[in-house]
Formats: sequence, C-alpha cells, structure tokens
Amino acid sequence: GAVVSQHPSWVICKSGTSVKIECRSLDFQATTMFWYRQFPKQSLMLMATSNEGSKATYEQGVEKDKFLINHASLTLSTLTVTSAHPEDSSFYICSAAFDGRGGYTFGSGTRLTVV
Amino acid sequence: RKEVEQDPGPFNVPEGATVAFNCTYSNSASQSFFWYRQDCRKEPKLLMSVYSSGNEDGRFTAQLNRASQYISLLIRDSKLSDSATYLCVVFPSLAYSGAGSYQLTFGKGTKLSVIP
Repeated sequence: GAVVSQHPSWVICKSGTSVKIECRSLDFQATTMFWYRQFPKQSLMLMATSNEGSKATYEQGVEKDKFLINHASLTLSTLTVTSAHPEDSSFYICSAAFDGRGGYTFGSGTRLTVV
Repeated sequence: RKEVEQDPGPFNVPEGATVAFNCTYSNSASQSFFWYRQDCRKEPKLLMSVYSSGNEDGRFTAQLNRASQYISLLIRDSKLSDSATYLCVVFPSLAYSGAGSYQLTFGKGTKLSVIP
C-alpha cells in the first residue's frame, strides 16, 4: 500500500520549453504532496508543499511562477517547470505522507535534463 | 549548526562487517526520525522508523538518544546489496513546521559501499 506513481521517469527538453511532472497516489488519498529537488551529491531539498484545492506553499528561494504546482484532486499533483534552463536540470521527487507521524512514500523521481 | 548532520562518509566495508552511522539533529522538538535508503538515481525508500528509543529489524538496528539529539543506524553482517546512501530524516513537531504541514528534513546522506 501507500504507493505514489510519478511520471515521466526522465525527460530531456530544450531550453525555454516547459515540462510537466505528474504524481499520483494510487491507493490512498493525499491531501498534501511535497515536491523535492535533489542535485548530484546533495540532499533532498523541499521546493513546495502542494495542497489539494488550494494554492501551493513554496519554500524560500523557489520561484512560484517558474515551478507551477497544481493539486486538483486528492490523488494527483503536478509540477510544471516553465521556461526551463540548464540550471533546472535535476532530480525531482514527489512525496506524500501515508501516516500521521511523518512516514512518507516517494514517487520514483523524474530526472530532468535541459539542453 | 545544520538541522540534520550525518557522518560524511563514504564508508567502505568488507562483506560481513558491522557498520554504524550517526546523525545529529538541532531541533529538540523533533518527534519522529527515520532512516531512508537511496540507491543511485533512485527515490529514497523507508528503511526504518524510530519513534521511541529505538527499533530493530533483522540486521538493522536504529537507536535514538533524545538527550544528546542523535540517531544511529547499525548494520550487522553487511551484504553487497546494502551498498547505498543512507539518509537520516527528521520529522519536526507540528508546532515547528506550522500550518499542519508535514515537512521532513533530510541529512545529506552517508554513502556505504560493501566490498566483496
């Protein structure tokens, strides 16, 4: 149980284009999902908290107009990287809590390469 | 002081060895602690939860020392398949994270390589 499906697994796009990443909770409802970014040899850094039916909460330093988050249903959250640049190349991972004590389940991640 | 600090690693150990990782955290109000395992280019996967003083699961033992604010992970009889990066993860109290959100704080991870 508590599976989060994330797509695509990897994507290569041209600079200036937009990329959408989807995360779905398959067997539970996730009112809150979290989007992380991980650069090589770095820890996961929280980018934003996605709340079903309301605006996402962004961490300091994360541009909300560049990283658009939509959480339209209890099982789907999307992250759109707009006008991607090479410095946006990273590993993006979504996550949702499956219990109330901090246990998380993660999506399989999306490796984005902007060329 | 960083919120979550881990042994820098890498740890290179022979098969069958016992290896221990330590992790310290700065927020004394933290309520839950986890060890996640992350393989190269993969998502983190929960290895162990540590809600009270400790937890044991087969070859893996996690201990929590609230007074000193550290968590440890002990791996006995290391296997080649244990090679991965181990992430120490701290879940702060709801009062700390605010707004009812569940925000985990990740350490940078310690890389373990088990050598034949």
